[in-house]
Order: sequence, then C-alpha cells, then structure tokens
Amino acid sequence: DIQMTQFPSTLSASVGDRVTISCRASQSISSWVAWYQHKPGKAPNLLIYKASNLKSGVPSRFSGSGSGTEFTLIISSLQPDDFATYYCQLYNFNSWTFGQGTKVEIK
Amino acid sequence: EVQLVQSGAEVKKPGESLKISCKGSGYSFTTYWIAWVRQMPGKGLEWMSIIYPGDSETKYSPSFQGQVTISADKSINTAYLQWSSLKASDTAMYYCVRGYNYGPPYFDFWGPGTLVTVSS
Repeated sequence: DIQMTQFPSTLSASVGDRVTISCRASQSISSWVAWYQHKPGKAPNLLIYKASNLKSGVPSRFSGSGSGTEFTLIISSLQPDDFATYYCQLYNFNSWTFGQGTKVEIK
Repeated sequence: EVQLVQSGAEVKKPGESLKISCKGSGYSFTTYWIAWVRQMPGKGLEWMSIIYPGDSETKYSPSFQGQVTISADKSINTAYLQWSSLKASDTAMYYCVRGYNYGPPYFDFWGPGTLVTVSS
C-alpha cells in the first residue's frame, strides 16, 4: 500500500502568518491528492482536489501544489477561522489514504 | 442542495450487530460514489470502504476487509455500513462521504457523522 506521511503533526501560528503543511507519498501518485479541513464537532470539508484545484467557495488564501511524491498546502495569511486540523489524502481507484493530520493551533 | 443524512447515534454492547445508514439527496445518487470514513476518539481519519450505487461495485481498505459490509439501496438513495459483531474498538465517529468522479473519485461532500459507542 502507498503511505502518506504528513508533517508537521502540530503547528503553532498567529493570525496573518503564512502556513505550510506537507505530505510525502511513499511512491509516485501523480497529482491525486486532496486536502481537507476538520474542525471539532463538525464534518471535514474539502479544500483542494487533484493537488492544486481549489474547491468552489473555498477562500483563495488556501492553495495546493505538488506532484509525484511531494505535496504542499499553503495558507497565505492565517485567519481566525482557519485554526483546525488539516489532512492530506491520496486517492486512486483502489485506496483513499489519509495523512496523519496537522493541527494548526493559536500561537 | 446536496445532503447526506446519516442515522442517529448508537450505543451497543460488544458482540451485537449494527447497520448505520446514509441517505443522499439533491443529486443523482447512482452516479456518485459513497464512502465511509472512521475517526476513532482523538485520532485521524481512516478510509474504510466505498461503493458505487449505480452498479454496487465495492472496494474495501485492507484494514477493514472482512470487518464491515458496505451496501446501497438505490431505490431509496441510501447507503449502509454494517457490523455483524461489534467490538469496543469500533467506538468511533463514522462519516459517509460522497465521492466525485474526476479521474479517481475524491471526497467532495461529507455527512455530519454517526457516533457509535460500543461498551459493556
């Protein structure tokens, strides 16, 4: 099975900071990566699909990049509503594997 | 408006069976995948299984193969996840998720979750 390693596991940041979260796949997965935001007590929310495509309605401060084995989610200017846990996910026609998650905390 | 309405919270004893449901509306139920994702207390997200209601094609994560059964009734736009014998370790939140076909399907819309508690 292809594994996804996500880092860091926790990130402390301030409002206005630029935040970078990374995921590394154990083998090349083309661009089949999605990113989700998850807040306590709520359902997760899709942010990015196919590595860099922003879901309609998601603020443009979120962006994704990467291909092959290295992928990145960037929040260009962290807002109070962005404190949450973020997950990357590789997907293909046989598996949908999540990374371990990155909790973005208030510094 | 797309909606995934999940069945209510359950409290069960070890060894009991359980079937939870997810009813889709606001879209063509038979042309999107439905997946189930587990979140154990304090842990991350885990993909369990996925089904295409149009033809009932199913796939399972190796971690959950043989542990759960996914199914769908397209006549009532409802997908199910069932256990034949629950364990305490099945205590978790279970999300049903719509899979959007764009190459391989990605999870574009999530249900609110069904909390399952298994305790003696």
